[in-house]
Amino acid sequence: AQTVTQSQPEMSVQEAETVTLSCTYDTSESDYYLFWYKQPPSRQMILVIRQEAYKQQNATENRFSVNFQKAAKSFSLKISDSQLGDAAMYFCAYRRNAGGTSYGKLTFGQGTILTVHP
Amino acid sequence: GAVVSQHPSRVICKSGTSVKIECRSLDFQATTMFWYRQFPKKSLMLMATSNEGSKATYEQGVEKDKFLINHASLTLSTLTVTSAHPEDSSFYICSAGRTSKGFFGQGTRLTVV
Repeated sequence: AQTVTQSQPEMSVQEAETVTLSCTYDTSESDYYLFWYKQPPSRQMILVIRQEAYKQQNATENRFSVNFQKAAKSFSLKISDSQLGDAAMYFCAYRRNAGGTSYGKLTFGQGTILTVHP
Repeated sequence: GAVVSQHPSRVICKSGTSVKIECRSLDFQATTMFWYRQFPKKSLMLMATSNEGSKATYEQGVEKDKFLINHASLTLSTLTVTSAHPEDSSFYICSAGRTSKGFFGQGTRLTVV
């Protein structure tokens, strides 16, 4: 079974600075997706960034980027120029590549609560 | 973009009654939907996989008779919490999607009093 581990229950960062959230996972599969989701106080799950395992290039989305180390099974999220609106709970998630057009189930990490100080 | 709508967003019910939560895919067909449960400041735990036209697949430890799932159409899955008790109070979230991208409903906060 796949497992996802986020070892940082809480993190804090000053506005405009950079913070990195850690995530490790365990799987025997070679084809899968990794995700970072943001859950603000509204509790709506928002996709931040997605990485396909077969792509060596690290995904980036504006101020968000990942460091994907497939051999080490590590998938960290870097938030640059942190903003107050970035404050939320962040979840790392794993999904095997189900193929076809169906979307598969996610395995989530424990979550990291990010606080942004003005 | 694709949207998943969940209803109601909040519900309070009396102990012993049943509550139905709906999850709809608004602009795409979803043969599979997923139901998660989340406790405050905790992770999302998969409860079951809802399959259109067939029985749901429940995760280990989830009571099938307590959490009834029906996926009668390609755009609608329902989760019914039967004979609800205070310990069933939680946040329930559904998800669905296509290809590599999934979408989450807004979630339902269930309070059993």
